[in-house]
Amino acid sequence: QVQLQQSGPGLVKPSQTLSLTCVISGDSVSDTAGWNWIRLSPSRGLEWLGRTYYRSKWLADYGLSVKGRVSISPDTSKNQFSLHLNSVTPEDTAVYYCARDYRGPYFDFWGQGTVVTVSS
Amino acid sequence: SYVLTQPPSVSVAPGQTATIACGGNNIGTKTVHWYQAKPGQAPVLVVYDDHDRPSGIPERFSGSNSGNTATLTISRVEAGDEADYFCQVWESTGDQRVFGGGTKLTVL
Repeated sequence: QVQLQQSGPGLVKPSQTLSLTCVISGDSVSDTAGWNWIRLSPSRGLEWLGRTYYRSKWLADYGLSVKGRVSISPDTSKNQFSLHLNSVTPEDTAVYYCARDYRGPYFDFWGQGTVVTVSS
Repeated sequence: SYVLTQPPSVSVAPGQTATIACGGNNIGTKTVHWYQAKPGQAPVLVVYDDHDRPSGIPERFSGSNSGNTATLTISRVEAGDEADYFCQVWESTGDQRVFGGGTKLTVL
């Protein structure tokens, strides 16, 4: 059974960088799956932020709403992947989830969620 | 970018059938996936590829997709089905995963 365990700070100051990590068990970050970050907020609902995946080399795709501010990258030595979202504003306050896509472009396993508040 | 439209809310009495729509331009040419999100819990995939159910999801959950509307149907609704439901598609242009705005299902 795949399990995703998230970690990272719950409070980030405006203009700073939000960083979260997702540790994978039961699968490998280097496998054929895609490793995603998604957030949920009352005002915006579910919003896909992007993903990283391995196809002979490491690739990444990003959501249009955060493109230019977001980076998602793997750490194969720790079997995990990370999200970095820079120049945050209060609009980035949300519950952040990591999730896997494997058999298709849908998300079958999710992390437990991290509540992130952007506030000074 | 591709837009998915859902009604903000749907209400249904226990034991009845809930129908949640997801509208999009020619959505019938795409495959649609549905998630259930309850407060304080991670979202759960309840239907994938228009109408398939992951292991562990009750047969009461079913999906269909045609024309400009995809539909999630929950039969014999129970109190525990009260949640937000989101549809999702893959938009090939730009390789984007797109969610609908979500529908809050209230069990009366």
